[in-house]
Formats: sequence, structure tokens, C-alpha cells
Amino acid sequence: DIRMTQSPASLSASLGETVNIECLASEDIYSDLAWYQQKPGKSPQLLIYNANSLQNGVPSRFSGSGSGTQYSLKINSLQSEDVATYFCQQYNNYPNTFGAGTKLELK
Amino acid sequence: QVTLKESGPGMLQPSKTLSLTCSFSGFSLSTSGMVVSWIRQPSGKSLEWLAAIDWDGDKYYNPSLKSRLTVSKDTSNTQVFLKITSVDIADTATYYCARSLTIAAWFAYWGQGTLVTVSS
Repeated sequence: DIRMTQSPASLSASLGETVNIECLASEDIYSDLAWYQQKPGKSPQLLIYNANSLQNGVPSRFSGSGSGTQYSLKINSLQSEDVATYFCQQYNNYPNTFGAGTKLELK
Repeated sequence: QVTLKESGPGMLQPSKTLSLTCSFSGFSLSTSGMVVSWIRQPSGKSLEWLAAIDWDGDKYYNPSLKSRLTVSKDTSNTQVFLKITSVDIADTATYYCARSLTIAAWFAYWGQGTLVTVSS
């Protein structure tokens, strides 16, 4: 299975700040990567697919980038509603696998 | 509007068989390419993809759990089922069903999840 290593595991940031979350795949996943946001007690919500495509309805302050084995999720101008745990998922290789998650809190 | 909803027993004893149902609307599982997957998440932990069934009835399993899993769908293509045999405490988790447009794709639609606790 492809291992997805997310960093950092937790992150504290201030309102209005820019946040970056990284995901490293154990092998090339050819941009077959998605990012999800999960709030406590809720199911994951898709933010980004194909590494950099914004899902309909997701605010434009969210963006994704990367290629090969290294990917990142960027949140510009952090809002209070962005407090959540973020997961990456690769779907290039069967079975698809998820990162361990990054918990984002307000400073 | 696409919606999915999971249902399950809530709690069951070790060694029993867990049966889960995913009821969905807003799409048909008979549409070419459509896939419904099962994904679980122990409390405070990450997500684990378990199994999937596609529009053509092809079934896919996580190799790490394949011997214990059975995925199926109803003939009206509005429900998908998952059975997990010989459960133990490690199977305690919230179980989600989710829809994707192919087997190798992202999940744009998720159910609300159903919590299953394995306890004696």
C-alpha cells in the first residue's frame, strides 16, 4: 500500500494567517490526490481533487499543489470556520489510502 | 441531491458478524462508472478504505481485511451492504459509505456515518 505521511500532525494559527499542510506519498501518485476537511462529529468534506482542482462550493482561499510524491494544501486568510482536521487521500494505487490527518486550531 | 445514509447495529459482541446498510438517493448505482465505498474511522484516528462495489457489480476489497469482508448491493441499486465477520474491539469505529465516479477517485459525497462499538 502507498503510505501517506502528513505534516504537521497539529497546527495552531491566527485568524487571517496563511496555513500550509503537507502530504508525502511513499511513491509517485501522479497527482491522484484529494484533500478533505473534517469537523468534529461530521463526515469528511471534499476540498480538492486531482491535487489542485477546487471542489464546487469550496471557498477560493483553499488551494492545492504538488506533483510526484509531494503535495500541499494551502489555506489563505484563515477563518474561524476552518478549524478542523484535514486529511489527504491518494487514489492512484489500489487500495486508496489516507494520511493520518492534521488538526488545525486557532491561536 | 445526492444523499447517503448508513445504518448498523450500534453495538455488537466480539466474534459476531457486523452487518451495515448504506441507503442512498439522488443517483443510481446502475449508472456507468458509479461506485459506492465503505470507509471507517476509529475515534480520533484516520480513515481506512474497506471495500467498494461498482455499477457493474464488480467488488473491491482492502487486501488487509479481504478475508472478513463481503460487499453487495440490492437489485434496485438503492442500497449497498457490508458484512464484516469475526469482529473484535479493533473494529470499533464510525463507518461511512461514500460515492465516487470510478474505483480510483475521490469521494465527493459521504454519509453521516454510523458508530459501531464492539464490546462484550
